[in-house]
Amino acid sequence: GESVGLHLPTLSVQEGDNSIINCAYSNSASDYFIWYKQESGKGPQFIIDIRSNMDKRQGQRVTVLLNKTVKHLSLQIAATQPGDSAVYFCAENIGPGGSNYQLIWGAGTKLIIKP
Amino acid sequence: DAGVIQSPRHEVTEMGQEVTLRCKPISGHNSLFWYRQTMMRGLELLIYFNNNVPIDDSGMPEDRFSAKMPNASFSTLKIQPSEPRDSAVYFCASSRQGAKNIQYFGAGTRLSVL
Repeated sequence: GESVGLHLPTLSVQEGDNSIINCAYSNSASDYFIWYKQESGKGPQFIIDIRSNMDKRQGQRVTVLLNKTVKHLSLQIAATQPGDSAVYFCAENIGPGGSNYQLIWGAGTKLIIKP
Repeated sequence: DAGVIQSPRHEVTEMGQEVTLRCKPISGHNSLFWYRQTMMRGLELLIYFNNNVPIDDSGMPEDRFSAKMPNASFSTLKIQPSEPRDSAVYFCASSRQGAKNIQYFGAGTRLSVL
């Protein structure tokens, strides 16, 4: 049969608006979560992380929310800029204190910032 | 800091040829990771080194793939012989002790096997 590639979910946002990228994780034992940003032609870049004993963490223009009850993670980007256009990956880690090296990567969400 | 440096950026080769990808991790980082990224399978961990020692190579697809880390500042990923299905972007990443999950990625090598 014909092979098909991963179809990335895409989110289009007007420049200056806020964006929310969602991620569902699978393992209730995961205790550490990271968001990475991958721009075209580049490697993934660390944005922000959160441990399972927190439900919210803020960075510069970014906020990560964690809902362990429904195993859901979100990344909020405030006042989006053209440079925010990228694919965003959530990743989870299973291990005490997140010390395990193995990350389980999500499929990614493509964010497009419209001028 | 120069970041993780990978070479070459692009490699086009013919099926059956040997391919060697190179990586220089960030100085002071003692964990090194090789990943492969494709549209079909996303980002896959191939091998993980800690203090130059391979810890987990369970992601290496088959015996045609091998990786070495002769010292703290250099690693190679070799494919011999290469096949068209090996076409992908290969990333090297490094991280510090105690923060293994905050991985710093290189720009990648885009490999095309014809």
